[in-house]
Amino acid sequence: NAGVTQTPKFRILKIGQSMTLQCAQDMNHNYMYWYRQDPGMGLKLIYYSVGAGITDKGEVPNGYNVSRSTTEDFPLRLELAAPSQTSVYFCASSPRQLRSYNEQFFGPGTRLTVL
Amino acid sequence: QKEVEQNSGPLSVPEGAIASLNCTYSDRGSQSFFWYRQYSGKSPELIMSIYSNGDKEDGRFTAQLNKASQYVSLLIRDSQPSDSATYLCAVNAGHSGNTPLVFGKGTRLSVIA
Repeated sequence: NAGVTQTPKFRILKIGQSMTLQCAQDMNHNYMYWYRQDPGMGLKLIYYSVGAGITDKGEVPNGYNVSRSTTEDFPLRLELAAPSQTSVYFCASSPRQLRSYNEQFFGPGTRLTVL
Repeated sequence: QKEVEQNSGPLSVPEGAIASLNCTYSDRGSQSFFWYRQYSGKSPELIMSIYSNGDKEDGRFTAQLNKASQYVSLLIRDSQPSDSATYLCAVNAGHSGNTPLVFGKGTRLSVIA
């Protein structure tokens, strides 16, 4: 199993540009999450999904959009990039089994810079 | 706003000593508690989960939970330089499996050889 994969690893965007961060998992996990991590800070939840076709906002959803058309994929869309979106973005997934639903497995991250 | 608090450190301990990392949380109804390790420039890695009051041991790691005091800790015995990392405490923010985790800002641990 590849686990959770993310592409790209690094990206530099200009202000106002848009992009999609890709995330895929091959563990048949129902739950998937997007976080951002700013230097010296913990993880902030952007969006999450409890299954295909179901998404919900986290703590910091403004400026982002998500979709979940399959169990495996959970892309994050940035529209009109702003310098405040410069961060490291992590995708994670977890199974639905009792008490395991929050044992999250993380992808390697995407380091995004907006100039 | 549900919160998880950790001392940011750095916490410095000599090699072979016990490292003690602490975490408090605000939501009394929280059910699940986790410790993640994050090396610099890498993604978080789950190292311990605990769901009931008391101690849970796994190798050199022991997680301790006290729901009455809203306190969870991680002990690392025989600390090694390879344990130097940031340790993130995470708590289930609600009362069901559909509520996501809330993470603390992490404690940076440095094990000195």
